[in-house]
Amino acid sequence: AQKVTQAQTEISVVEKEDVTLDCVYETRDTTYYLFWYKQPPSGELVFLIRRNSFDEQNEISGRYSWNFQKSTSSFNFTITASQVVDSAVYFCALSTAGNMLTFGGGTRLMVKP
Amino acid sequence: ETGVTQTPRHLVMGMTNKKSLKCEQHLGHNAMYWYKQSAKKPLELMFVYSLEERVENNSVPSRFSPECPNSSHLFLHLHTLQPEDSALYLCASSQGLQEMNTEAFFGQGTRLTVV
Repeated sequence: AQKVTQAQTEISVVEKEDVTLDCVYETRDTTYYLFWYKQPPSGELVFLIRRNSFDEQNEISGRYSWNFQKSTSSFNFTITASQVVDSAVYFCALSTAGNMLTFGGGTRLMVKP
Repeated sequence: ETGVTQTPRHLVMGMTNKKSLKCEQHLGHNAMYWYKQSAKKPLELMFVYSLEERVENNSVPSRFSPECPNSSHLFLHLHTLQPEDSALYLCASSQGLQEMNTEAFFGQGTRLTVV
């Protein structure tokens, strides 16, 4: 069985603060992919990043960065210098061979001006 | 139009009504999905279609009936729903089933309220 846990249900920060969203996953498979999706108030989930289990290199894309650590089964997401437009629900997800995406419970991020 | 389009965006229905949700994708994908998102269970996979054939049905009550007439369209027929079925229903598509390295593209959802 596979499971994704996002322990932070809601986070509130003030604009320009850095914020890290935590994601912990469980799987017995050695090969898997991890994803982050953003769900703005409009409703649709927007794909942000995909990472395979063999690539532990951290990734940076503008103000977004991702820290993948197999040793702790974590795939955390950091937003640097947060902006009001970053306010959304963020989902972490896991896929393994033969299994559909398993989503975490989501973290609602509120960035106040 | 691009991406995944869902109609209607909002729907209010009585428990005795019959209604349908529609999803259309313009991405050339061959797999489509229905998800339910509610406060109690944020993202539940309901149905999966690959090449117009249903490949997964996650113990969804029969009052929800999916239909996939072609690879671009997916419907969710609703009848005799309960108030607890009120939720955001999201449609998604992907190139192939959600194999490990395939991301899904989502529509904006239909906000359903059952009264």
